[in-house]
Amino acid sequence: GAVVSQHPSRVICKSGTSVKIECRSLDFQATTMFWYRQFPKQSLMLMATSNEGSKATYEQGVEKDKFLINHASLTLSTLTVTSAHPEDSSFYICSAQEAGDTTQYFGPGTRLLVL
Amino acid sequence: QKEVEQNSGPLSVPEGAIASLNCTYSDRVSQSFFWYRQYSGKSPELIMSIYSNGDKEDGRFTAQLNKASQYVSLLIRDSQPSDSATYLCAVLESNYQLIWGAGTKLIIKP
Repeated sequence: GAVVSQHPSRVICKSGTSVKIECRSLDFQATTMFWYRQFPKQSLMLMATSNEGSKATYEQGVEKDKFLINHASLTLSTLTVTSAHPEDSSFYICSAQEAGDTTQYFGPGTRLLVL
Repeated sequence: QKEVEQNSGPLSVPEGAIASLNCTYSDRVSQSFFWYRQYSGKSPELIMSIYSNGDKEDGRFTAQLNKASQYVSLLIRDSQPSDSATYLCAVLESNYQLIWGAGTKLIIKP
């Protein structure tokens, strides 16, 4: 149980374009989903927390207009990187949490390369 | 600022030995503690969670929690080369925010 998927697993895009990443909880209802970013050889960095049906809460320094998060259902959250630039190239990972459970289950991650 | 501290390593352990990974935290009222394993280029995967003082065993893994001393550890018995990874400690603070350690890189030498 507690399986989380992400799509796509890898994406290459041109600078200035937007990229959407999907995160799905496959066998449970995720009331809360988290989006992380990880640069090579660095720690996980929490970008934002989203609760189903509510606006996401962004961490300090993360631009909410650049990283659009939608959590419209209990099984799906999306992260859209708008007007991507090479410095946005990173490993984006989502995690999901069920109501009443403090455990976060991670998706496999999406590797974004912006040319 | 609440913190979770881990030795970054690398920690080198011979195959078959016990690997001991440690983590200290600053929020005295934290109640939930997690160990995740992250292979290079992959996302973290949950190994164990622990909520009460003492030991919790799952196969070759044992998590140990000591709230009075504010540390949590992970023991890996009969270490295998496939255990080589970065191990992340995460602590759920009293405000329900999960604080991550920077991780300890473990290398199991055949």
